[in-house]
Amino acid sequence: NAGVTQTPKFQVLKTGQSMTLQCAQDMNHEYMSWYRQDPGMGLRLIHYSVGAGITDQGEVPNGYNVSRSTTEDFPLRLLSAAPSQTSVYFCASSTGQFHNEQFFGPGTRLTVL
Amino acid sequence: RKEVEQDPGPFNVPEGATVAFNCTYSNSASQSFFWYRQDCRKEPKLLMSVYSSGNEDGRFTAQLNRASQYISLLIRDSKLSDSATYLCVVNMRDDKIIFGKGTRLHILP
Repeated sequence: NAGVTQTPKFQVLKTGQSMTLQCAQDMNHEYMSWYRQDPGMGLRLIHYSVGAGITDQGEVPNGYNVSRSTTEDFPLRLLSAAPSQTSVYFCASSTGQFHNEQFFGPGTRLTVL
Repeated sequence: RKEVEQDPGPFNVPEGATVAFNCTYSNSASQSFFWYRQDCRKEPKLLMSVYSSGNEDGRFTAQLNRASQYISLLIRDSKLSDSATYLCVVNMRDDKIIFGKGTRLHILP
């Protein structure tokens, strides 16, 4: 089992560019989430999904889109990158939404210039 | 009151000592509680869930005090490898989860 994988590990964007952060899990988990982590802040929930075809907004959804076409994949799209989106992004999956253990990917470090 | 609050530390503790952290939460209806560990530049990993009756896993003990709305983590006989940031996590309702900012722990040789 690879667990939760994320690509790329590092990315530098210019303001206004768009990109997709990839996340995949091979544990057959129904629940997947995206978080961002900034210095001095806790992880903040961006979007989450309770199953294929279902997504919902978290605490800080603005500027991000998600889709969940399969159980395994949960990509995060930045529509028009802004310096405020410079952060470390973590994808997570779990069996019981937020009641159960969340398994995190290794993270993507994104810098927006 | 912040939704989830932790002392950021750092706690500098000699090897072999006992150290304890608390984490307070604001929503009395919160459902689930966890401690995660995060090493520098790594992803968070579950250390332990926190049950109403308290729970212990080796050198680690977690407790929940619903009346005062806090959870605690006790580490006994601390090891150098315990150096990390410890994140308090509260599941406030089905669709809401809040991570604390973390408490940094340095175990000194």
